Amino acid sequence: DAGVTQSPTHLIKTRGQQVTLRCSPISGHKSVSWYQQVLGQGPQFIFQYYEKEERGRGNFPDRFSARQFPNYSSELNVNALLLGDSALYLCASSRKGQKNTEAFFGQGTRLTVV
Amino acid sequence: KQEVTQIPAALSVPEGENLVLNCSFTDSAIYNLQWFRQDPGKGLTSLLLIQSSQREQTSGRLNASLDKSSGRSTLYIAASQPGDSATYLCANSGGSNYKLTFGKGTLLTVNP
Repeated sequence: DAGVTQSPTHLIKTRGQQVTLRCSPISGHKSVSWYQQVLGQGPQFIFQYYEKEERGRGNFPDRFSARQFPNYSSELNVNALLLGDSALYLCASSRKGQKNTEAFFGQGTRLTVV
Repeated sequence: KQEVTQIPAALSVPEGENLVLNCSFTDSAIYNLQWFRQDPGKGLTSLLLIQSSQREQTSGRLNASLDKSSGRSTLYIAASQPGDSATYLCANSGGSNYKLTFGKGTLLTVNP
């Protein structure tokens, strides 16, 4: 079975541009979460979606937005990119958006803003 | 606000040694605790999940324990191998949005 897949794997953008990152969860998983990991730090929670509805949002500016599609895949959008947005963006899927379910992560998208 | 701390930040051991990685957290109202492995520049691989009602979980050479009352979890790796070299992250899930709160990780190097 395929795991969590993310695309693209690497991306270079210029300050002020917009970027869209994509995630396909494990088959049968209905919950998708996004995390940002800067070098030397643990991942930081950005969003969680379950059944196409936003279930939670971390402490990120409104430049960050996301959505989940009927097939449970998800997109993360970041507008007006800043140098500080350079990071590894991780997507996690779980079977249900509930407290005792295990999260599985993709390989991430490495975003570099120049 | 939940805070997760991992000690040590880095650890270097000779092959074959048994080792313990530590994780502490400030808010004991968690749903579960999960240990992950991360290779350089890669995503996270789930190693073990301990639900809040459990005390420990085992998978092969790995054993993780959870003590909610003291806000601590440990990951025990037996008979370490060079292939175990990676960053190990712990994270717990809590709150209304079930988000994972991560520590900064422990960078493990196992020397042949």
